[in-house]
Amino acid sequence: DAKTTQPNSMESNEEEPVHLPCNHSTISGTDYIHWYRQLPSQGPEYVIHGLTSNVNNRMASLAIAEDRKSSTLILHRATLRDAAVYYCILKSGGSNYKLTFGKGTLLTVNP
Amino acid sequence: SAVISQKPSRDICQRGTSLTIQCQVDSQVTMMFWYRQQPGQSLTLIATANQGSEATYESGFVIDKFPISRPNLTFSTLTVSNMSPEDSSIYLCSVSRAQTGSRSTFGSGTRLTVV
Repeated sequence: DAKTTQPNSMESNEEEPVHLPCNHSTISGTDYIHWYRQLPSQGPEYVIHGLTSNVNNRMASLAIAEDRKSSTLILHRATLRDAAVYYCILKSGGSNYKLTFGKGTLLTVNP
Repeated sequence: SAVISQKPSRDICQRGTSLTIQCQVDSQVTMMFWYRQQPGQSLTLIATANQGSEATYESGFVIDKFPISRPNLTFSTLTVSNMSPEDSSIYLCSVSRAQTGSRSTFGSGTRLTVV
C-alpha cells in the first residue's frame, strides 16, 4: 500500500485557517487521496477526497500538488469542534478499496 | 452516504468468553470492513467481510480468534473469541463502495473491556 506522511501534531487558534500537510510520494495514478477525522470517542468521519484537482466542500478544501506527491487539507476557520485526529489516506483498487490508517495529525484548537 | 448501526456500543466481558458485534447498514454496500483501535492508537484493519464467503484477514489476525459472518449486503458480525485483557479495544465496522473515489462510512464503534 502506498504510504502517507503527516506531522504528529499541529496547533491552531479558533477562527483562524489551518493547513494540514500530507506527503504521499509513492502515490499511483489511480489512487484517490482521502481525508478522515476522528473526534474524541467517535468513529472516523469522512472529510474530503480528490484525485487531481483541488476540491471544496462544506467542511474543508483539499489542495493537491501538481505532481500529486503531496496534498494539504485546509480548514478555513477552525472551531473548537475541529479538534481531532486527521488522517490522510490513499485509497487504491489494488488494495481492495480498504483504508490503511497511519498515525494521523492531532489538531489542537485554542480558544 | 450509508448509515451504520453497530451493537453493542460497549461491553465488559470476562476473560475466556466471546462477544459478537453486529453491524447493520441501511443500504446495500459492496465492501464491509472490521477495524480494531487499541487504546491511544490508530485504527488497524482486521479483515474484509465478504458476502457469502470467508472473510479476508490481514496479517496478524486469524479466523479462529475473529470469526466474521456476512450473510447479505447489509449485515455483518464480528466475534471476538476466547477473550483476554489484550483484546480490550474499540472495534469498528466500515462500509464503502468498490470505488477508489467512494467515501467510507464508519460505525460509532464497540468499546470492549475484558476483565
